[in-house]
Amino acid sequence: GAVVSQHPSRVICKSGTSVKIECRSLDFQATTMFWYRQFPKQSLMLMATSNEGSKATYEQGVEKDKFLINHASLTLSTLTVTSAHPEDSSFYICSAREPPIETQYFGPGTRLLVL
Amino acid sequence: SQKIEQNSEALNIQEGKTATLTCNYTNYSPAYLQWYRQDPGRGPVFLLLIRENEKEKRKERLKVTFDTTLKQSLFHITASQPADSATYLCALPHNQAGTALIFGKGTTLSVSS
Repeated sequence: GAVVSQHPSRVICKSGTSVKIECRSLDFQATTMFWYRQFPKQSLMLMATSNEGSKATYEQGVEKDKFLINHASLTLSTLTVTSAHPEDSSFYICSAREPPIETQYFGPGTRLLVL
Repeated sequence: SQKIEQNSEALNIQEGKTATLTCNYTNYSPAYLQWYRQDPGRGPVFLLLIRENEKEKRKERLKVTFDTTLKQSLFHITASQPADSATYLCALPHNQAGTALIFGKGTTLSVSS
């Protein structure tokens, strides 16, 4: 089956620093990737839709200048949390889709802790 | 906008029984509905997709139904095993034209031996 990887799996950083999370589709080309955030005991909340070669589409309430998304190739999307604060601590999960198949394949997630 | 309700936060059953999980949506009928499994600290894993013109879909011990009149999907695990213990998420297209998914809060299933 389709495999999506994420790196790093866990990151601890100081408040005010930036953190980059990578999402890769390993065995298929993903023209569209998605970024989600999940707080404890909550469901996945869609942050943005990332299309290869174009600007990401952000959901309402998600600051595009704080959560920078780059989808430079068909297999790689990156999410950069800029000037991270403790409230940004969460579980960040990416997913990828290979059209026309509707199924999304998820990465293992990245646990971010901002001190 | 579309809203999803998974009525039970937690479901506890005995090994060998059938687990039935419910997913209701409130707005337009989606072109398809998906079920995922999520283990603690992991990303969701795709289980089944059912389209609006399908009433039922099966995969091994899993069965999904889709009733667009009731705006409801039921997810069944037959002959449940302790290894089936996890959180099960219902997901729908974000909107009628979109490709992103929105998720319910999930039902955490515990199967005891």
